[in-house]
Amino acid sequence: NAGVTQTPKFQVLKTGQSMTLQCAQDMNHEYMSWYRQDPGMGLRLIHYSVGAGITDQGEVPNGYNVSRSTTEDFPLRLLSAAPSQTSVYFCASSDRGAYEQYFGPGTRLTVT
Amino acid sequence: RKEVEQDPGPFNVPEGATVAFNCTYSNSASQSFFWYRQDCRKEPKLLMSVYSSGNEDGRFTAQLNRASQYISLLIRDSKLSDSATYLCVVNTYNAGNMLTFGGGTRLMVKP
Repeated sequence: NAGVTQTPKFQVLKTGQSMTLQCAQDMNHEYMSWYRQDPGMGLRLIHYSVGAGITDQGEVPNGYNVSRSTTEDFPLRLLSAAPSQTSVYFCASSDRGAYEQYFGPGTRLTVT
Repeated sequence: RKEVEQDPGPFNVPEGATVAFNCTYSNSASQSFFWYRQDCRKEPKLLMSVYSSGNEDGRFTAQLNRASQYISLLIRDSKLSDSATYLCVVNTYNAGNMLTFGGGTRLMVKP
């Protein structure tokens, strides 16, 4: 049981490039979410999904897209990377929204 | 005003000390409360849920004061391994009942 996995662990992008952060979970959780963590800001919700085919915006969705075609996968797409998107990105899943969330190990992204 | 506010610390305490963290939240409709622990450069993990009547898990005690909208975490007999950042978390009804995280309080336990 791998839990929540994220790839890549580290990534450096140039401004304007696009990329997809991968997230997968093997716990059959309905809820999945993406957060970014910046120093002094805590974790901020980017997008979330309450089930396959259903996604919605969180607190800081601009510049990011998501889709949820399967229960297991919830990729996060950066459309045109900007230095302000330099952050640590965490994917999480839970059985229900306001209950224990299981986090992946994170992706450290630097945009130059 | 942030939805969930915490003193960022750091709290520097000797081994064996008792230390307490507080957290305030702004949404009076919040129903679910948690403390998460995050080690340096790692992902957050659930430490404990916080119940209205207060709850204890070994050396850790969590309290909720709904009237004042604050949550506390008490750690007794601190260990070196308790050194981490402690995140106060509440649910957010306006975002699919997802969770809102405080900025975290850093604890450093010294020998």
